[in-house]
Amino acid sequence: DVKVTQSSRYLVKRTGEKVFLECVQDMDHENMFWYRQDPGLGLRLIYFSYDVKMKEKGDIPEGYSVSREKKERFSLILESASTNQTSMYLCASSLQRYGYTFGSGTRLTVV
Amino acid sequence: KNEVEQSPQNLTAQEGEFITINCSYSVGISALHWLQQHPGGGIVSLFMLSSGKKKHGRLIATINIQEKHSSLHITASHPRDSAVYICAVSPHTGNQFYFGTGTSLTVIP
Repeated sequence: DVKVTQSSRYLVKRTGEKVFLECVQDMDHENMFWYRQDPGLGLRLIYFSYDVKMKEKGDIPEGYSVSREKKERFSLILESASTNQTSMYLCASSLQRYGYTFGSGTRLTVV
Repeated sequence: KNEVEQSPQNLTAQEGEFITINCSYSVGISALHWLQQHPGGGIVSLFMLSSGKKKHGRLIATINIQEKHSSLHITASHPRDSAVYICAVSPHTGNQFYFGTGTSLTVIP
C-alpha cells in the first residue's frame, strides 16, 4: 500500500513564524498536492507538483510556497503565518490520474 | 463555480437506516471517487468508478455518466459509519481532482 506521511498531526505556531509542513510518500508517485480543508469550503488546492523541482499554483496559493527537491518529499511553507491560515492541511500523491492517496492531515493553529 | 455538488450537507440517521448521499458534477470525467474522512483523521478512498455500480460490504456506489450523477448508499447503517463522505472527480484533462464539500453523516445508536 502506498503511504503518505505528514510530519505532524497537530501544530501550534505564533503569528509571523515561518512554518514548514512536510509530506513524504513511499511510492514513485509523480504528482503531489497540498490542500487545506475548512468547514463549509471543502478541500481547496494550494499547490501541486508533477515532478521534482516543478510546481504549479492551485486555487489559493497566496501566503504559501512549496519545495520539491526530491520526488518523495513535498514541503509546504508558510512564510509568515497568520491566524487566517489556521486550518487542516492535507497532502496527497497520485500516479497520473489513478486515484489519490492522502496523508492523515496536519491541524495547524496560528495564535 | 463548483464543479462538484453534494447533497445533503449534513445527515443524521438512526442505526439500521438506509442512507443515500448524492453527487452531481458538471465536467467530463474519467472517474469518480468516493472518499471517507473520520473525525480528526485522514481521508481514505472507498470507491473509484467510471460506470455502473460497485459494492463493498454495506456500501454501494452507482454512477450515471449521461446524467453526471453518482450516489453512495449505506445499508443497515451503524454508528461507526459516522464520518464525512466526499465525492471527487478526475476530469479528462489535468492531474488534479475536483472535490465536493462533503456530507457529514451522524448515525445515532
